[in-house]
Amino acid sequence: DVKVTQSSRYLVKRTGEKVFLECVQDMDHENMFWYRQDPGLGLRLIYFSYDVKMKEKGDIPEGYSVSREKKERFSLILESASTNQTSMYLCASSSPGGRRYEQYFGPGTRLTVT
Amino acid sequence: SQQGEEDPQALSIQEGENATMNCSYKTSINNLQWYRQNSGRGLVHLILIRSNEREKHSGRLRVTLDTSKKSSSLLITASRAADTASYFCASGGNAGNMLTFGGGTRLMVKP
Repeated sequence: DVKVTQSSRYLVKRTGEKVFLECVQDMDHENMFWYRQDPGLGLRLIYFSYDVKMKEKGDIPEGYSVSREKKERFSLILESASTNQTSMYLCASSSPGGRRYEQYFGPGTRLTVT
Repeated sequence: SQQGEEDPQALSIQEGENATMNCSYKTSINNLQWYRQNSGRGLVHLILIRSNEREKHSGRLRVTLDTSKKSSSLLITASRAADTASYFCASGGNAGNMLTFGGGTRLMVKP
């Protein structure tokens, strides 16, 4: 089974801090995604990556950056955390091509910025 | 990208009843997927229906797709308390397996 892990389940940071959220998948998937989930807004795509060192902006990239130095690892970086970035962050991976389009999700990181 | 919409936002039923959730999307799709999320957890893929399919079954799940109306429905038959969760539809285009998620339906199944 595909396993996607995220570095923390819960995280509390102060305004202005630099925050790193890490995601690792063990199925050699090319695609990786970062979403944030807020009540009433569903999941919104922040960034995705379709290969090592490749990244594309999603719907809400402002205030975030990403890094993908290795195929299995995709990091989300909040350069200077703000209170409006308090949210649930979900990482996912998928394999392009073939007939498999589903995404596999990690357990999520609930980030609180105070 | 544009988000889809799900209806209803919340649904409460008794164990043994059927639960129907609806989803609308805005652009042409390659596939439509349904995911489940237990409280405070990640999403789990349930079922995928391709754009050239009209209906698909998996266990107690039945999904329909009407591309002319840009809508889909998820039916859970003979619901159980363990089905209590949020359910999301996600529309997939052809670009890099990206998905556009709906806002979700919160289902509560009372024992």
